[in-house]
Amino acid sequence: AQTVTQSQPEMSVQEAETVTLSCTYDTSESNYYLFWYKQPPSRQMILVIRQEAYKQQNATENRFSVNFQKAAKSFSLKISDSQLGDTAMYFCAHMIKAAGNKLTFGGGTRVLVKP
Amino acid sequence: DVKVTQSSRYLVKRTGEKVFLECVQDMDHENMFWYRQDPGLGLRLIYFSYDVKMKEKGDIPEGYSVSREKKERFSLILESASTNQTSMYLCASSLGTGPTNNEQFFGPGTRLTVL
Repeated sequence: AQTVTQSQPEMSVQEAETVTLSCTYDTSESNYYLFWYKQPPSRQMILVIRQEAYKQQNATENRFSVNFQKAAKSFSLKISDSQLGDTAMYFCAHMIKAAGNKLTFGGGTRVLVKP
Repeated sequence: DVKVTQSSRYLVKRTGEKVFLECVQDMDHENMFWYRQDPGLGLRLIYFSYDVKMKEKGDIPEGYSVSREKKERFSLILESASTNQTSMYLCASSLGTGPTNNEQFFGPGTRLTVL
């Protein structure tokens, strides 16, 4: 079974500073995708960033970037220049290509950006 | 923009009742999913569907069934609601399974309370 672990239940960060969320996963597959999703308070879940396992280059989306360490099965998310609108639950997720489109999620990290 | 809608934001039902949760997407997506979200556990996949009238069990299908009679609509059914099914239910859809179209788009969720 695939598992995804987010070891930080909650984190807080000052506005404009940087925060890094950790995620580890367990799989024996070699072809897979990794995702970070964001769920703002009382709002819909949206995709933040996506990484393909066979791509060594770390994905970036504006202020969001990942540190993908395939051998260590680690996929951390860095939020730079944090904004109040970044306050949300963040979920790391894993998708095995051979298993279709199924996502396995971690337990989530609640991020609070303080003014 | 993709829009995924769910029939109710909040629902209160009694133990033993049959409960229907409806999900509709407007972007002709092939794949649809039902998850439940519980604190500390993240999202867990209940059922998913790759096509009309097709369904596959996810990680926690017990006590649930689904129906997909039309491409845009995916229903989750609790045959006999129990208190341990009190949860947030999220529907999602995706276009395909490739690296550029496997993003899942989520609905706003239905918070179900079973008394």
